[in-house]
Amino acid sequence: AQSVAQPEDQVNVAEGNPLTVKCTYSVSGNPYLFWYVQYPNRGLQFLLKYITGDNLVKGSYGFEAEFNKSQTSFHLKKPSALVSDSALYFCAVRDMGYGNNRLAFGKGNQVVVIP
Amino acid sequence: GAGVSQSPSNKVTEKGKDVELRCDPISGHTALYWYRQSLGQGLEFLIYFQGNSAPDKSGLPSDRFSAERTGGSVSTLTIQRTQQEDSAVYLCASSHRQGSNYGYTFGSGTRLTVV
Repeated sequence: AQSVAQPEDQVNVAEGNPLTVKCTYSVSGNPYLFWYVQYPNRGLQFLLKYITGDNLVKGSYGFEAEFNKSQTSFHLKKPSALVSDSALYFCAVRDMGYGNNRLAFGKGNQVVVIP
Repeated sequence: GAGVSQSPSNKVTEKGKDVELRCDPISGHTALYWYRQSLGQGLEFLIYFQGNSAPDKSGLPSDRFSAERTGGSVSTLTIQRTQQEDSAVYLCASSHRQGSNYGYTFGSGTRLTVV
């Protein structure tokens, strides 16, 4: 079964500094990987995905993520954090095995960007 | 519609009562998912509908939980004899067939509080 680990409950970063949110995954086959962001009292919004191809994926709002197969990681990054980036971030994985349409989500990371 | 619509946005119910939560997916999306989000627990998969296929109910936590999807569109999640541990945000998402390749579009959720 696929699973995701987001080891940090909260990430604090000063505005303008680089932001990294960590994610590692476990699948039996090849993974599809996703990042979502959730603002207060809102649903999850898609940020970016890795399906195949370049290991560095660029997404919305200046975010990017790097797929590292050997480390089974898909860390989310932003070069310069904004206060408006403060939100809950979820990593998700789908095992590319046939018939599996379910995304497994991590428990989420609260990001706090300090002005 | 333009997005996934869920109703009600908030529901407070007494322990032991039944509740129905509604999800109206994006028009043309054949796949529909229900997840439960509890504080500090991430997203827990509940059930998945794909077109006219039999739903994947493997995530439903007990037989008090059921869901249906009428006409391949609107879905209703029913919780019978609610318990306090059912308190959570219930999120609905929809996608195209094989939609996990494209990610899901989430609704804003229904916050259920059982008192």
